[in-house]
Amino acid sequence: QSALTQPPSASGSPGQSVTISCTGTSSDVGYYDHVSWYQQHPGKAPKVMIYEVSKRPSGVPDRFSGSKSGNTASLTVSGLQAEDEADYYCSSYAGSNNLVFGGGTKLTVL
Amino acid sequence: QLQLQESGPGLVRPSETLSLTCSVSGGSISSTSDYWGWIRQPPGKGLEWIGSVYFAGNTYYNPSLKGRLTISVDTSKNQFSLKLSSVTAADMAVYYCARRRDIAVADPWGQGTLVTVSS
Repeated sequence: QSALTQPPSASGSPGQSVTISCTGTSSDVGYYDHVSWYQQHPGKAPKVMIYEVSKRPSGVPDRFSGSKSGNTASLTVSGLQAEDEADYYCSSYAGSNNLVFGGGTKLTVL
Repeated sequence: QLQLQESGPGLVRPSETLSLTCSVSGGSISSTSDYWGWIRQPPGKGLEWIGSVYFAGNTYYNPSLKGRLTISVDTSKNQFSLKLSSVTAADMAVYYCARRRDIAVADPWGQGTLVTVSS
């Protein structure tokens, strides 16, 4: 299983929206609606922000949203805030009880 | 509130076996709806799924690590463990344990433990 493809960086100004893509294959992202997004601040463990493509866990602001089209999933952060600056990782179910992660995207709030 | 905590040696010599344990508190590792997994992150790099275990002992490994990897569960201690043999510098990473729920959601995560591979 190969890692999912994410852009290494993304940026936006406070209040703006930014979208991060995550491209897989027809065997993972394209096949299963089990795509998750994780936020990781420096030195901290990742935290799930979106699961099953577009569901938000309780406590995650509704500024975070997810979607999927074909083999590509996307995370959109609206109304950017300073605290959103972090690394973001996508993951997908890849069958046989295995997961695959993306390479990560560093989000900078300008 | 479910919490996970990794423990184990922070330094392993090349060619030896890396061993870590994850202690689960605030919930039962025997939950029929959850799996328990390991993820690692080399310094400055991305996340890699290592594998997972079910309370009944069923294991699921990343194909790239199969052959060197053993994940086990001890329900009496509410713990699960990772053993990775024949380690090299490429295995140096922060190792996280996490619950895997709803098929493909890793949540919550432990705080992570850095394992250095060096002689």
